[in-house]
Amino acid sequence: NAGVTQTPKFRVLKTGQSMTLLCAQDMNHEYMYWYRQDPGMGLRLIHYSVGEGTTAKGEVPDGYNVSRLKKQNFLLGLESAAPSQTSVYFCASSRKGSEKLFFGSGTQLSVL
Amino acid sequence: EDQVTQSPEALRLQEGESSSLNCSYTVSGLRGLFWYRQDPGKGPEFLFTLYSAGEEKEKERLKATLTKKESFLHITAPKPEDSATYLCAVTGGSNYKLTFGKGTLLTVNP
Repeated sequence: NAGVTQTPKFRVLKTGQSMTLLCAQDMNHEYMYWYRQDPGMGLRLIHYSVGEGTTAKGEVPDGYNVSRLKKQNFLLGLESAAPSQTSVYFCASSRKGSEKLFFGSGTQLSVL
Repeated sequence: EDQVTQSPEALRLQEGESSSLNCSYTVSGLRGLFWYRQDPGKGPEFLFTLYSAGEEKEKERLKATLTKKESFLHITAPKPEDSATYLCAVTGGSNYKLTFGKGTLLTVNP
């Protein structure tokens, strides 16, 4: 039972570099989310998707893009990384209309 | 805008010493209040959902309660394995997206 899998687990970028975080879920969930977690800030929603081919902005979407080409995958992209994007990123999924989220184990991203 | 405030920020207990964590919230038309547990280096794990004032949920040594303004997570006779960060979140109105608090870091010493 893999649940929600995030890759990579750790990454270091230089300012201006780009990268993509991959999230995969095997629970056939409709909804998927990307959060960032910073000390003293709690979890903040970046983008989310309510179904294949659909995405929407969350609380802190600037500097990020997402795509959901397949139901089981949700990609988070950073086109030009900035030090302010240093954070731990969590992907989550849920059944349609449910607020019971299943989280991945996170990606620690450092932007130098 | 939905707001969630958790207190204390950190709590240190001796094994067997019962206590409570607080989650106060401001939301327009509460849909649900959620408790999650987060272990170091891992993602949050769902514990409870509460929907209306007066509702209670229990799981092992944990009991969650809800009033119109706040929720409490009561920990009875905690063990070291209960050490974790406990997160509270709410959804309100037609917004099904979760608003999280900053969490309470609980440490239980043997």
